[in-house]
Amino acid sequence: AQKITQTQPGMFVQEKEAVTLDCTYDTSDPSYGLFWYKQPSSGEMIFLIYQGSYDQQNATEGRYSLNFQKARKSANLVISASQLGDSAMYFCAMREARYQGGKLIFGQGTELSVKP
Amino acid sequence: DTGVSQDPRHKITKRGQNVTFRCDPISEHNRLYWYRQTLGQGPEFLTYFQNEAQLEKSRLLSDRFSAERPKGSFSTLEIQRTEQGDSAMYLCASSFSTTRTGNTIYFGEGSWLTVV
Repeated sequence: AQKITQTQPGMFVQEKEAVTLDCTYDTSDPSYGLFWYKQPSSGEMIFLIYQGSYDQQNATEGRYSLNFQKARKSANLVISASQLGDSAMYFCAMREARYQGGKLIFGQGTELSVKP
Repeated sequence: DTGVSQDPRHKITKRGQNVTFRCDPISEHNRLYWYRQTLGQGPEFLTYFQNEAQLEKSRLLSDRFSAERPKGSFSTLEIQRTEQGDSAMYLCASSFSTTRTGNTIYFGEGSWLTVV
């Protein structure tokens, strides 16, 4: 079963506008963490934001915020005031506490293109 | 640069040859991960080390793949008798070991392998 689902293969957004990238997840572990990474064409995975399953408030990091809806098992990334440099692949990932190694499980990604 | 570094960044090899990738993690991190990423997909977990011990291996890691971390610092990933299906980007990542799900995993820029 797919643990992380990103249903938008590609998204376009106008520069300076906000965009939401969708992510749904599946786990029976009550303790887990959700991550978003950005991958530019160079290949490096850049950590953006983290949300813990017990966190009461939605995470925010600068222009990035995470819309966490636990009952719906969704963890959407919101990028405000898009910039041309935001064009990249974006991956949602989950870590379940029951796996001691702390490995991340990734979704298939969403390619974001920011138009000038 | 104190991030995760990988070498070589690009490797083209003939089918049947052996290749080796090296990863130098962030110095104080005791966990090291290897992932594989093919075009259009999210990274897939291959294996991880805690210090020098290899604690988990994915079923994706066939007998032709071997990973080591002899002194608990750098790691190597060797692929023997390469096949065209091995063509992918191999990502290395590192983190602290902790029971907290929020401990961030930091990635290197990846090593691109093309098997011709």
